[in-house]
Amino acid sequence: QQQVRQSPQSLTVWEGGTTVLTCSYEDSTFNYFPWYQQFPGEGPALLISILSVSDKKEDGRFTTFFNKREKKLSLHIIDSQPGDSATYFCAASAWDNYAQGLTFGLGTRVSVFP
Amino acid sequence: DMKVTQMPRYLIKRMGENVLLECGQDMSHETMYWYRQDPGLGLQLIYISYDVDSNSEGDIPKGYRVSRKKREHFSLILDSAKTNQTSVYFCASSLGDWGVDAEQFFGPGTRLTVL
Repeated sequence: QQQVRQSPQSLTVWEGGTTVLTCSYEDSTFNYFPWYQQFPGEGPALLISILSVSDKKEDGRFTTFFNKREKKLSLHIIDSQPGDSATYFCAASAWDNYAQGLTFGLGTRVSVFP
Repeated sequence: DMKVTQMPRYLIKRMGENVLLECGQDMSHETMYWYRQDPGLGLQLIYISYDVDSNSEGDIPKGYRVSRKKREHFSLILDSAKTNQTSVYFCASSLGDWGVDAEQFFGPGTRLTVL
């Protein structure tokens, strides 16, 4: 059973638009949530992360929101650019999940067209 | 310069041959990982290593083994490779294995084709 679920599987956005990715999780002990960005032919790279004590974190055009009660988080990309076209992975880690590191979602493939 | 390196980047093998994938990191990270990535399946954890000679199976360890004799180096071995092991393999490292310390740094990947 997938502990971290992402939606949608893929989406298309026009340049300048806002991209919204969502993620939900099961394990209430998860407390650290990174988002990774992966371009074709490369390994995933950390984009932005949030701790469960926060409900929002911004980094330039990228903002992640966290809702502890609903066990959901989202990634918003404003003014989307063709260079943002990539696969985005949501992940989670728990303070007591010391055996497994990060649990990854299956990813969302984003295509930004000019 | 914080970096995870993988060698080789591309590899073609015949079924039944042995395969060695190598990974290195220069961050003195304790924890290292091997994943495989297939379309639609995301990142599947094969093995995790907590330090030298301290390795643990991940979600899909069957058909693989690992070796970590130095903290900065982690190898993935396929004894008698199978065609269903054709995939892209990623190595990653992290400072620790929980909470914020679990932030992982990934290598560029090795694309393995088993014919």
